[in-house]
Amino acid sequence: DTGVSQDPRHKITKRGQNVTFRCDPISEHNRLYWYRQTLGQGPEFLTYFQNEAQLEKSRLLSDRFSAERPKGSFSTLEIQRTEQGDSAMYLCASSRNVGQDPNYGYTFGSGTRLTVV
Amino acid sequence: DAKTTQPTSMDCAEGRAANLPCNHSTISGNEYVYWYRQIHSQGPQYIIHGLKNNETNEMASLIITEDRKSSTLILPHATLRDTAVYYCIVRVATLLTGASVSGSARQLTFGSGTQLTVLP
Repeated sequence: DTGVSQDPRHKITKRGQNVTFRCDPISEHNRLYWYRQTLGQGPEFLTYFQNEAQLEKSRLLSDRFSAERPKGSFSTLEIQRTEQGDSAMYLCASSRNVGQDPNYGYTFGSGTRLTVV
Repeated sequence: DAKTTQPTSMDCAEGRAANLPCNHSTISGNEYVYWYRQIHSQGPQYIIHGLKNNETNEMASLIITEDRKSSTLILPHATLRDTAVYYCIVRVATLLTGASVSGSARQLTFGSGTQLTVLP
């Protein structure tokens, strides 16, 4: 297992275009999280899945954002009609379920850096 | 989750101990202190966590004051590869029984962290 994988590592897109990012979590982790990080700031929570169910969404996740996790494995985060303010690093993390990991340790991927021009 | 306060930046000489402070004066009795770090262009990495006792692992030591209002992360022999942003996070502990965990207990709330620069 190579950890949490994110693809692509970098994405440059024109304003108004749609983009989709992919996250492959650690195989035995059934919890998956998306975070966004802008320059000089810590990561901010966007949304969370337990298996295929999306259980929580942040207010940061506007209607232009949608996340899916079909079959409870990999996840995709789509941004429609991108805006310059969407430029950020999008981080994915996974963790084990409650009761299996008392440390509740997250494993983060290296992120996808989005630049909207 | 309780708010934390960390210095914006710190320097440390290579080979010396790096002591990173964190204030969490409003911490609740059921909240743990977690430390993560983020090396440039990578995702955050878990370092250590504790409730009230001091903790040590292969990466670092965590010293929590008796009143739990502050803590210090210690990197005993800093190397150039320890240059990173270090985040102190306070959050509710995971329930071990498998019961439903509240939203704030599932996510991590990051501040701006401390930029540690290890100097040669």
